[in-house]
Amino acid sequence: KQEVTQIPAALSVPEGENLVLNCSFTDSAIYNLQWFRQDPGKGLTSLLLIQSSQREQTSGRLNASLDKSSGRSTLYIAASQPGDSATYLCAVNNQGGKLIFGQGTELSVKP
Amino acid sequence: GAVVSQHPSRVICKSGTSVKIECRSLDFQATTMFWYRQFPKKSLMLMATSNEGSKATYEQGVEKDKFLINHASLTLSTLTVTSAHPEDSSFYICSASRERLYEQYFGPGTRLTVT
Repeated sequence: KQEVTQIPAALSVPEGENLVLNCSFTDSAIYNLQWFRQDPGKGLTSLLLIQSSQREQTSGRLNASLDKSSGRSTLYIAASQPGDSATYLCAVNNQGGKLIFGQGTELSVKP
Repeated sequence: GAVVSQHPSRVICKSGTSVKIECRSLDFQATTMFWYRQFPKKSLMLMATSNEGSKATYEQGVEKDKFLINHASLTLSTLTVTSAHPEDSSFYICSASRERLYEQYFGPGTRLTVT
C-alpha cells in the first residue's frame, strides 16, 4: 500500500530565504508526482507535475525533483516571499490513476 | 484552460437531510472525476473515482449508499450526502481529468456543515 510522508509538518522562515520541502513515498511504481499549494479553506492549486520518467520540473521560483528509486521528491522554493505562505501537498499518482496525498507542510514566510 | 468548479462553496444542512454537491469541468471533457474529503489540518482522502456513464468505484471504508456519486456527462459529476450527520461535516473537493492517468485539476471545494 502506497504511503506518502512529508517532512517537516510545519516550517517558518524569514522572507528571502531559500527552502526545501521533502516528500517520500514507499512504492516506487508511480505514474507521476504532483506538488500542490492549498490556502486555508481553499481548494488545491497545482504547482508542478513530474512524470515518472523525469528528474525535475521548474516553474519560476519553484523547482521540484524526483528520485523514483529512492522514493523521494523535493520542492525547492527560491527567495521565499510572504505570499508563499500556505500548505504544500505532494501526491503520487499510482498506476491505477489514484492520487495518494501526503499530510502536507504548512509554510509560513515572515516579512 | 482546465478549470473545475464546485457548487455550492458552502452549505449548512440539518441532520437527516440530504445535500448535493456539483463538480463541473468548465473547459474540457473529463472522462474521470474524483471525490476527496479533507478533515481540518489533515490531508485529502480519496472517497471514490467516477467514470462518465458508469458506476463509481468507492475506496475501502466509504459507504456507497451514503455518498451517492453520479457522473452523467463528461462535464458534470455530483456527490449526494444522504441522511447527513454531524460527523459528515467536512471539506469535500472534486478533481477532474481528461483520462484516468492524466493530470487532475481540482475544484475549489465545498464546506459542508451538518447541524
